[in-house]
Amino acid sequence: AQTVTQSQPEMSVQEAETVTLSCTYDTSESDYYLFWYKQPPSRQMILVIRQEAYKQQNATENRFSVNFQKAAKSFSLKISDSQLGDAAMYFCALLYSGAGSYQLTFGKGTKLSVIP
Amino acid sequence: GAGVSQTPSNKVTEKGKYVELRCDPISGHTALYWYRQSLGQGPEFLIYFQGTGAADDSGLPNDRFFAVRPEGSVSTLKIQRTERGDSAVYLCASSLVAGGWETQYFGPGTRLLVL
Repeated sequence: AQTVTQSQPEMSVQEAETVTLSCTYDTSESDYYLFWYKQPPSRQMILVIRQEAYKQQNATENRFSVNFQKAAKSFSLKISDSQLGDAAMYFCALLYSGAGSYQLTFGKGTKLSVIP
Repeated sequence: GAGVSQTPSNKVTEKGKYVELRCDPISGHTALYWYRQSLGQGPEFLIYFQGTGAADDSGLPNDRFFAVRPEGSVSTLKIQRTERGDSAVYLCASSLVAGGWETQYFGPGTRLLVL
């Protein structure tokens, strides 16, 4: 079984500053995928960034980057130059596809507030 | 449509009633997923379809929950004899094919309230 833990229920950041959201996970598998999803008040989950476990290079998408530490089972999200539109719930998720299922396992989320 | 759509947006029902929640995936997407998100929690997997068949229904909590996708496109999640504990947001997602790397695109969800 897979578990995902987000230890920060809430975070805040000043506009234009940088913030890092933490995520740890547990799995006995070696081949899996990690994701960060954003959920604004509209409820629609939007993919922010993803990482394949077998790739050592950290993924980046514009202002979003991750710090993937496989041995430590850590997958943090860094948001640079924070904007008001970044305010939302952020969910870390893991997907293990080895058993033929493609279910995402999510953490409880971190609520990010952006202060103008 | 451009994205995954779900109807209704909100549903209020009474304990013991039957409800159906509908999901329209992105056109051409063969894989479809249902998740349930309780207040203050992350989404939890319920069931996933590849085409018309349920490939993994291990997340369905009990036999009151059932889902179908008869033509490999629209899916309906059915809940019988609803209980107050069923109150949650039900999210649907679709992906082009089922695969670890494939992005799951989510709909806006149906908020179910059981009184």
